Amino acid sequence: DSGVTQTPKHLITATGQRVTLRCSPRSGDLSVYWYQQSLDQGLQFLIQYYNGEERAKGNILERFSAQQFPDLHSELNLSSLELGDSALYFCASSVATRAGPGNTIYFGEGSWLTVV
Amino acid sequence: GIQVEQSPPDLILQEGANSTLRCNFSDSVNNLQWFHQNPWGQLINLFYIPSGTKQNGRLSATTVATERYSLLYISSSQTTDSGVYFCAATGTASKLTFGTGTRLQVTL
Repeated sequence: DSGVTQTPKHLITATGQRVTLRCSPRSGDLSVYWYQQSLDQGLQFLIQYYNGEERAKGNILERFSAQQFPDLHSELNLSSLELGDSALYFCASSVATRAGPGNTIYFGEGSWLTVV
Repeated sequence: GIQVEQSPPDLILQEGANSTLRCNFSDSVNNLQWFHQNPWGQLINLFYIPSGTKQNGRLSATTVATERYSLLYISSSQTTDSGVYFCAATGTASKLTFGTGTRLQVTL
């Protein structure tokens, strides 16, 4: 158990709908990262938050948004869903915002999203 | 950004065999991690190893930062070792960049 909790574990929804994925980081971790893993794209970084503020942005679509709340949990909102958004979405957390010695990044078990 | 390449892409081993997985990266790294993704999709941390050598049971890893590569050794492989092994690294940014993985299948 990495200590990173993601809900829901599985989600099936229709095209055009909106879903919210939730993540609770490890106790004491201030950074939260979101990754998308699809069959044809591998593991892609979406976005990072540190202590409530956006710190880095990757290949995140405009239809997707995220935020980190004062209690440090994070939510990833996916809207106007398309078939191609079907993927495994991972949340990860670490202590620091910048890479450095000891800043191991731990991953949750992921949320499987299927868009039909 | 940093580029991460892994080889081989696929590997089939008989139970009990040893293997070496390789990860090359394009720039200096501040963080390098190895992960095992099991058949259920879970990403499990194996090593945090930006440099040096570490061992954990039948697994060990070595990173030679000056030559920009890391190796993951699996000894006496077991069927439970099957899955995909990912190497991921950070350069100056804090996000991890993943390689495309090595898919390992261990057969009886």
